[in-house]
Amino acid sequence: GAVVSQHPSRVICKSGTSVKIECRSLDFQATTMFWYRQFPKQSLMLMATSNEGSKATYEQGVEKDKFLINHASLTLSTLTVTSAHPEDSSFYICSAGGGGFDTEAFFGQGTRLTVV
Amino acid sequence: GENVEQHPSTLSVQEGDSAVIKCTYSDSASNYFPWYKQELGKGPQLIIDIRSNVGEKKDQRIAVTLNKTAKHFSLHITETQPEDSAVYFCAAKFSTGTASKLTFGTGTRLQVTL
Repeated sequence: GAVVSQHPSRVICKSGTSVKIECRSLDFQATTMFWYRQFPKQSLMLMATSNEGSKATYEQGVEKDKFLINHASLTLSTLTVTSAHPEDSSFYICSAGGGGFDTEAFFGQGTRLTVV
Repeated sequence: GENVEQHPSTLSVQEGDSAVIKCTYSDSASNYFPWYKQELGKGPQLIIDIRSNVGEKKDQRIAVTLNKTAKHFSLHITETQPEDSAVYFCAAKFSTGTASKLTFGTGTRLQVTL
């Protein structure tokens, strides 16, 4: 399978600050990337879908001004959590598709965000 | 939209026994069904998938079966080992390429005991 790298794996930030999470497809060009949020012992909740060079499509209930997504190249998408609050603490995961993989989605390692 | 139900939520088996996890989906148009294994603190890893044009697929100790009529699909793990312990998620989507969204089940925590 393809390799998707997510960075950082863990981050702690203070309330009110912003945090950027990067998702890179290392060996293929990802035309589409997905961002998920996962609470402890729960399933993955899709936050948004991003396509290279266009605006992200957010799921209902997800604040687009709080969770900024940029997909400027075929190998990189970023999620910025703006003005973070403790309730934003969660496990954020990206997945990528494209590059000849018709249906598979390959996931990054996830980022554990803790807002203090 | 698609809805995926997954059972059981927890499953404990002895090493060497088989484990079966079942999922049902609601959208008859769904045509791609992957299974993911997630270890603690890590992202999901694709372990096997099946498309709607086949009924069964096997990869060593792992197999997936699909019943399109009943809208059921199942993951079978034989000869379980302690390293199989993890959370398993099923998912479904109608594939229109890589841009289509996956809908995930609620997950099954598998514990393989010695």
